Amino acid sequence: AQKVTQAQTEISVVEKEDVTLDCVYETRDTTYYLFWYKQPPSGELVFLIRRNSFDEQNEISGRYSWNFQKSTSSFNFTITASQVVDSAVYFCAPPTGGFKTIFGAGTRLFVKA
Amino acid sequence: DTGVSQDPRHKITKRGQNVTFRCDPISEHNRLYWYRQTLGQGPEFLTYFQNEAQLEKSRLLSDRFSAERPKGSFSTLEIQRTEQGDSAMYLCASSPTGGLNGYTFGSGTRLTVV
Repeated sequence: AQKVTQAQTEISVVEKEDVTLDCVYETRDTTYYLFWYKQPPSGELVFLIRRNSFDEQNEISGRYSWNFQKSTSSFNFTITASQVVDSAVYFCAPPTGGFKTIFGAGTRLFVKA
Repeated sequence: DTGVSQDPRHKITKRGQNVTFRCDPISEHNRLYWYRQTLGQGPEFLTYFQNEAQLEKSRLLSDRFSAERPKGSFSTLEIQRTEQGDSAMYLCASSPTGGLNGYTFGSGTRLTVV
């Protein structure tokens, strides 16, 4: 059975700090995907990115970057120079068979001005 | 394209009553998903459709829950004989077949059972 773990329940940073959110996905599949979603205080889940297990290169989009380490099944998400608008709950979410996505418990990020 | 629409946004009902929620997906999306989210938790999968066919249903979905997607367009989720434990946010999402670019979620229907 697949298991997704976001061990950080809440993180609090001051604006402009860098912050990294951790996600570990345990599965017997040899290749797989993982999605990251953002849920701001308004509540609507927003898709951020898809990461592939066969691609260990960092992916960077603006202030966001994603890193995958196959040896530890870790998908990490880094926000550089955080802003108050980054305050949200972030979910890592692997799609399983049939592309039914399962969600981690989420990490709540507070960015203080 | 107006995104995924859910109706109503909020529903307060008395225990034992039946409720029905509606979801209108993005028109060109074949797949439609229902999730439930309680406070402080990630969304839990309930069921999903490929066009009008319901392909998978979670064990979380008791016999009191039923979902339909007639003609592969909008979907309804009905809860019969509601219980207080059914209070949650019910989320609908859609995606093209494959879903490799994630899902588009609606704003959800918040159900409160009193």
